[in-house]
Amino acid sequence: DSGVTQTPKHLITATGQRVTLRCSPRSGDLSVYWYQQSLDQGLQFLIQYYNGEERAKGNILERFSAQQFPDLHSELNLSSLELGDSALYFCASSGGQSSSYEQYFGPGTRLTVT
Amino acid sequence: AQSVTQPDIHITVSEGASLELRCNYSYGATPYLFWYVQSPGQGLQLLLKYFSGDTLVQGIKGFEAEFKRSQSSFNLRKPSVHWSDAAEYFCAVGELKAAGNKLTFGGGTRVLVKP
Repeated sequence: DSGVTQTPKHLITATGQRVTLRCSPRSGDLSVYWYQQSLDQGLQFLIQYYNGEERAKGNILERFSAQQFPDLHSELNLSSLELGDSALYFCASSGGQSSSYEQYFGPGTRLTVT
Repeated sequence: AQSVTQPDIHITVSEGASLELRCNYSYGATPYLFWYVQSPGQGLQLLLKYFSGDTLVQGIKGFEAEFKRSQSSFNLRKPSVHWSDAAEYFCAVGELKAAGNKLTFGGGTRVLVKP
């Protein structure tokens, strides 16, 4: 158990819909990262937040957005969903801006768009 | 831009035999390197990491990895494989900047263990 929690574990929804994925980092971790794992794209970095502020952005679609709240949990919002958005979405956390470089991953949310 | 290549998509090994998974990276500065393991239906578990210092690093579950700068490689090894080591293994390079430290992953190597 990494200490990172993600809800829900599974999500099935229809094209055009909007969903929210939630992540709680390990106790004391300030950074939260979101990654997408799909069969065709592999594991791809989406976005990082550090203590409530966006710090790095990867291959995140404009239909996707994220935020980190004062209690440090994070949400990833996916809108206007397409079949190709079906994937496993991971959240990871790390100890601080430079104090800890390793990232600990949650169990993931499997999104199926039908 | 940084990149990671894992040349072997699948590897089959007999239980008790040794295992070596290859990883090559491309990165302009000193890399921060990681190996993660993903069991079926599970998240990613950190096996080991290299930041600096001794180029042979030890990890959990009996794994080790060796950083070779001249070959831009960070291969993972285990002397004797157990059936529970069947999983997918990912090598990653960390880009550490003031603005953030995202990970770039290789495509993964799926390990099958024969009894």
